[in-house]
Amino acid sequence: GENVEQHPSTLSVQEGDSAVIKCTYSDSASNYFPWYKQELGKRPQLIIDIRSNVGEKKDQRIAVTLNKTAKHFSLHITETQPEDSAVYFCAASTGTYKYIFGTGTRLKVLA
Amino acid sequence: DAGVIQSPRHEVTEMGQEVTLRCKPISGHNSLFWYRQTMMRGLELLIYFNNNVPIDDSGMPEDRFSAKMPNASFSTLKIQPSEPRDSAVYFCASSSGLGETQYFGPGTRLLVL
Repeated sequence: GENVEQHPSTLSVQEGDSAVIKCTYSDSASNYFPWYKQELGKRPQLIIDIRSNVGEKKDQRIAVTLNKTAKHFSLHITETQPEDSAVYFCAASTGTYKYIFGTGTRLKVLA
Repeated sequence: DAGVIQSPRHEVTEMGQEVTLRCKPISGHNSLFWYRQTMMRGLELLIYFNNNVPIDDSGMPEDRFSAKMPNASFSTLKIQPSEPRDSAVYFCASSSGLGETQYFGPGTRLLVL
């Protein structure tokens, strides 16, 4: 069935370093890939998304890359700050209502 | 924009009691989703409404769960009777249509004793 694998499950980086989270999806019809950030006790919030007609999208310190051939996409956070500490979820959608979520990555930025 | 609104934010109840969770989607959004989040199972889609009509309820765990959307600005998720294993955070999300971004509400943290 449809599946999204997300790695790593936990990630610790020093403040100022970069963090990379990777997701692999199984349904080749997927064409929309959002990333959500969830702080402790809060709602998942969209931080960036990408559609299958582009390979990369950037928003300040955050970027997402998509490789449709390999069926994987990645979140890149540069110059990490303590407030980046949260759980990050990737998701894949075929353009219908259903999101297939990854299992989440707990990012810890050490000051 | 007020965003998705959910109530209550926290609910503590005893096993066997009825629980009703409420959601107001973002104005103009015609798609509404109920999710459940637990450490063990992550984010699970329970039910999806489009234009107030339930389209997919295959994620509803069992008959104890029911959801309604009587109009475009209100939805409820009911659990009757509640059980301790229903303890979780329940999120409502809405979007402006198929393939569009889903925006989550603040969630209801449910504890069934």
